[in-house]
Amino acid sequence: EAGVTQSPTHLIKTRGQQVTLRCSPISGHTSVYWYQQALGLGLQFLLWYDEGEERNRGNFPPRFSGRQFPNYSSELNVNALELEDSALYLCASSLDGGNSPLHFGNGTRLTVT
Amino acid sequence: GESVGLHLPTLSVQEGDNSIINCAYSNSASDYFIWYKQESGKGPQFIIDIRSNMDKRQGQRVTVLLNKTVKHLSLQIAATQPGDSAVYFCAENAGFQKLVFGTGTRLLVSP
Repeated sequence: EAGVTQSPTHLIKTRGQQVTLRCSPISGHTSVYWYQQALGLGLQFLLWYDEGEERNRGNFPPRFSGRQFPNYSSELNVNALELEDSALYLCASSLDGGNSPLHFGNGTRLTVT
Repeated sequence: GESVGLHLPTLSVQEGDNSIINCAYSNSASDYFIWYKQESGKGPQFIIDIRSNMDKRQGQRVTVLLNKTVKHLSLQIAATQPGDSAVYFCAENAGFQKLVFGTGTRLLVSP
């Protein structure tokens, strides 16, 4: 069974640009989560999608947004990139929301210069 | 507010020793807890979980203990191996399907 896959693996952008990150969940998982992991820090919750709807978001500005498609894959969009957006962006999926383990992909490393 | 923290940022052990990684949480309403292992360049990997109606749960070489009275969680790794070297995170279900993660403990295993 394939795990959570994310693309691209690495990305370099310039301040002010926009970026789109992609995630495919484990087959059968309907919930997708996005987390930001800045260097030396823990994982900060960004967004939760389930059945195509945004169910919850963390303490991030509106320039962080996303969506979930009918096949349960998801995109994370970040507009007007800032230097502090440089981080590892992790996508996770689960079978039963927050009551079962989240399974993570290996992330997209975003560097903003 | 919600927070999950760790007492020790780095833990160094010898191969074969038992390791104990500790975690404090602040949300007394949390009912589900998970331990993750993250190796360099990879995403967090699920190790073991425990629900609030349990005090202890065992897996292969790992045991999680939950003390709800003092809001403390620990991960015990038996016979630690070099392959166990990684950063370990605890996480709690803070409601609305949101897992709150601690900042992590680095485990270093010397041969």
